[in-house]
Amino acid sequence: EDQVTQSPEALRLQEGESSSLNCSYTVSGLRGLFWYRQDPGKGPEFLFTLYSAGEEKEKERLKATLTKKESFLHITAPKPEDSATYLCAVQANAGGTSYGKLTFGQGTILTVHP
Amino acid sequence: DGGITQSPKYLFRKEGQNVTLSCEQNLNHDAMYWYRQDPGQGLRLIYYSQIVNDFQKGDIAEGYSVSREKKESFPLTVTSAQKNPTAFYLCASSIHRSLGAFFGQGTRLTVV
Repeated sequence: EDQVTQSPEALRLQEGESSSLNCSYTVSGLRGLFWYRQDPGKGPEFLFTLYSAGEEKEKERLKATLTKKESFLHITAPKPEDSATYLCAVQANAGGTSYGKLTFGQGTILTVHP
Repeated sequence: DGGITQSPKYLFRKEGQNVTLSCEQNLNHDAMYWYRQDPGQGLRLIYYSQIVNDFQKGDIAEGYSVSREKKESFPLTVTSAQKNPTAFYLCASSIHRSLGAFFGQGTRLTVV
């Protein structure tokens, strides 16, 4: 069974204080790993897709990296507007009844104080 | 603008009643999904559909039903058989089952 565990559950940072969020996963053949941002009361907003170990993607202050067992979302010099819940999800390779299904972690709640 | 539209944003239901949540997309995506989100938990898959007139159960399908009569629409009915229906419901779609999904803004269902 595919599993995703995110840590920490909550992270409080001062503005400008860089840090990383972790996403550990087990999956029967990784097709893709996805990062989403979710604001309170809204749907998740797509950030990145990573497909293979060693791959990196960047967007503004965010950088996502991938190894064979985990992914990191690095936040450089965060601002208060980066405060949100960050969700990680994995998608398994083709085959079986889970084809196309995303398995999500429980998320990391990030709060950035001015 | 292309996107996924869920309605209503807030929904209140009396115990014992069925209720239908709407999801429409104009992205020309083949696959559509329904997820449920509870506080402190990740998203859990209820149902998904890869093509019109076909759908599969997800991890927590009991007490729910869906239909996919049109490519653009994937309504979810929460039936009276769902024991704990109060939650945030999210609809998503993807251009192909092998790619990540894009989400609507959600419907918050409360049983009163």
